[in-house]
Amino acid sequence: AQSVAQPEDQVNVAEGNPLTVKCTYSVSGNPYLFWYVQYPNRGLQFLLKYITGDNLVKGSYGFEAEFNKSQTSFHLKKPSALVSDSALYFCAVRDMNYDNLFFGTGTRLTVIP
Amino acid sequence: DVKVTQSSRYLVKRTGEKVFLECVQDMDHENMFWYRQDPGLGLRLIYFSYDVKMKEKGDIPEGYSVSREKKERFSLILESASTNQTSMYLCASSLDPGGTDTQYFGPGTRLTVL
Repeated sequence: AQSVAQPEDQVNVAEGNPLTVKCTYSVSGNPYLFWYVQYPNRGLQFLLKYITGDNLVKGSYGFEAEFNKSQTSFHLKKPSALVSDSALYFCAVRDMNYDNLFFGTGTRLTVIP
Repeated sequence: DVKVTQSSRYLVKRTGEKVFLECVQDMDHENMFWYRQDPGLGLRLIYFSYDVKMKEKGDIPEGYSVSREKKERFSLILESASTNQTSMYLCASSLDPGGTDTQYFGPGTRLTVL
């Protein structure tokens, strides 16, 4: 079975500071990992994904994520947060043996001016 | 750019009504998905389709059905709406049946069942 955990419902960070949104996963095979962002009253937008290769993945809007197989984590990071980064962030995982993406419960990021 | 559109942004229905939610994608994607989004539960997959006239149950199919008569259109049907189906419904599409491809989402339909 596959699962994904986002241990923090809410993350607050000051503008200009680095931000981290945490994600851990559990799969039986090799994972495909995704981050999506949802701005208010909008659908989800793709940020980045890890399929294979380099453990550090760079995505849209200056975000990056590091795949850590030993810790089964895929944390989302950004060196300097912007107020416009405030949104709901979802981590998703797909076990290569299954058909579907499985989403976490989401983390609400608030960047404080 | 991929565009996924949903027929309504907001919808209010009464208990027992039959409800149709429509989703259209314009990029000739093979795969289409219906999710519901609830606070604290994230996104949960209701149904998906890998091809015309094909459907597969997701994690929470009870109380829902789907229809895919054309490649670009995927409809979610609530046969008899109930209050516990009040939720945000998100449609998505993707190209690669192998599962590594990005899913592209519509803006969502917020359904309220009274």
